[in-house]
Amino acid sequence: AQSVTQLDSHVSVSEGTPVLLRCNYSSSYSPSLFWYVQHPNKGLQLLLKYTSAATLVKGINGFEAEFKKSETSFHLTKPSAHMSDAAEYFCVVRNYNNNDMRFGAGTRLTVKP
Amino acid sequence: DADVTQTPRNRITKTGKRIMLECSQTKGHDRMYWYRQDPGLGLRLIYYSFDVKDINKGEISDGYSVSRQAQAKFSLSLESAIPNQTALYFCATSPGTSGSVRNEQFFGPGTRLTVL
Repeated sequence: AQSVTQLDSHVSVSEGTPVLLRCNYSSSYSPSLFWYVQHPNKGLQLLLKYTSAATLVKGINGFEAEFKKSETSFHLTKPSAHMSDAAEYFCVVRNYNNNDMRFGAGTRLTVKP
Repeated sequence: DADVTQTPRNRITKTGKRIMLECSQTKGHDRMYWYRQDPGLGLRLIYYSFDVKDINKGEISDGYSVSRQAQAKFSLSLESAIPNQTALYFCATSPGTSGSVRNEQFFGPGTRLTVL
């Protein structure tokens, strides 16, 4: 079975500084990996996805993530945080041979002025 | 995203009551899902449906049932609600075409359910 671990439940950064949200996955097969964002009182929006093409994936709003098979990681980064990035972020893994998507517990990002 | 709608958006009910949460989509997707979100646990899959005649249990189906009335409609029922079913419930859809494992899911705005 597949699973994801988001290594930080809460990350706090200052506006204009880099963002790093960490995700490690476990999967028996070649996985598809996703990052979703949830703003307060909103649904989930896809930020980016990895589907076995390029290992560096660019998403919306300046976010990107790098798939590292040797480290079983898919960390989310952004060079410069904006106040509007404050939200909860979920790392998600889906196995190649089934439809089961497993969500991490989430990382809450706070951006300080 | 108005393509996936959920009703009601908020509901407060009492223990033992029967509750139905409804989901409709205009995306034309074959696959629909119900999740619940609890603080610190992320989203967990309750049920999913690949088409009108296909219903599957997810990770936490006990205490829930579903009905896929049409391609566009997928409802979740709590036959006898209990307080630990208090949560935020999300409906999602995805295409059922080739390469579907690579397709993301599209989420509705959520239904906040409180069981007293």
